[in-house]
Amino acid sequence: SQQGEEDPQALSIQEGENATMNCSYKTSINNLQWYRQNSGRGLVHLILIRSNEREKHSGRLRVTLDTSKKSSSLLITASRAADTASYFCATLSTGNQFYFGTGTSLTVIP
Amino acid sequence: GAGVSQSPSNKVTEKGKDVELRCDPISGHTALYWYRQSLGQGLEFLIYFQGNSAPDKSGLPSDRFSAERTGGSVSTLTIQRTQQEDSAVYLCASSRYLGLAGGGEQYFGPGTRLTVT
Repeated sequence: SQQGEEDPQALSIQEGENATMNCSYKTSINNLQWYRQNSGRGLVHLILIRSNEREKHSGRLRVTLDTSKKSSSLLITASRAADTASYFCATLSTGNQFYFGTGTSLTVIP
Repeated sequence: GAGVSQSPSNKVTEKGKDVELRCDPISGHTALYWYRQSLGQGLEFLIYFQGNSAPDKSGLPSDRFSAERTGGSVSTLTIQRTQQEDSAVYLCASSRYLGLAGGGEQYFGPGTRLTVT
């Protein structure tokens, strides 16, 4: 399977702590994106990082990309209860197909 | 509308029947994608359209699945002779463009929950 994998599969932290999720993939990519899914809002795009970028920030989110290791990480700083959701990485391969990872389930305890 | 819409939101069908799922992308978005998500699983990419054409249909699970897009807008995903393993949430997404340097932000619809009994 060319699908990416996130780890950990599940993560539980206290509100205010930082959460780090990792994503590994197999194919050569054009870009990598992180999405959040919860029952209230469905799938929502968070951030996109291109293959020639190494780090990107958006609000409390920080994404890194290491194409040599075919891995990415998503850091959420100062977590809030509303951050509770499943987080997926998605890669756009050079063949223009999207592959979503299996997701990390994040629980932020108030 | 402002976002991607899908219909129906829920569909219960008997094994062996055909079903048709509809997706209305955001106006002006040239790229459209179909995914399948089984309970507790990640997203499985099925097919994408650039305009009305689908360059790669290899992600479709079997020849019972087909998809089309007309007028560069609405898309339908058809599943013939449904099986119980087809039960899943089918998600549609659109993005402004699709390109070698792009891929763009995808906007997802709420999904169609398909249950095959």
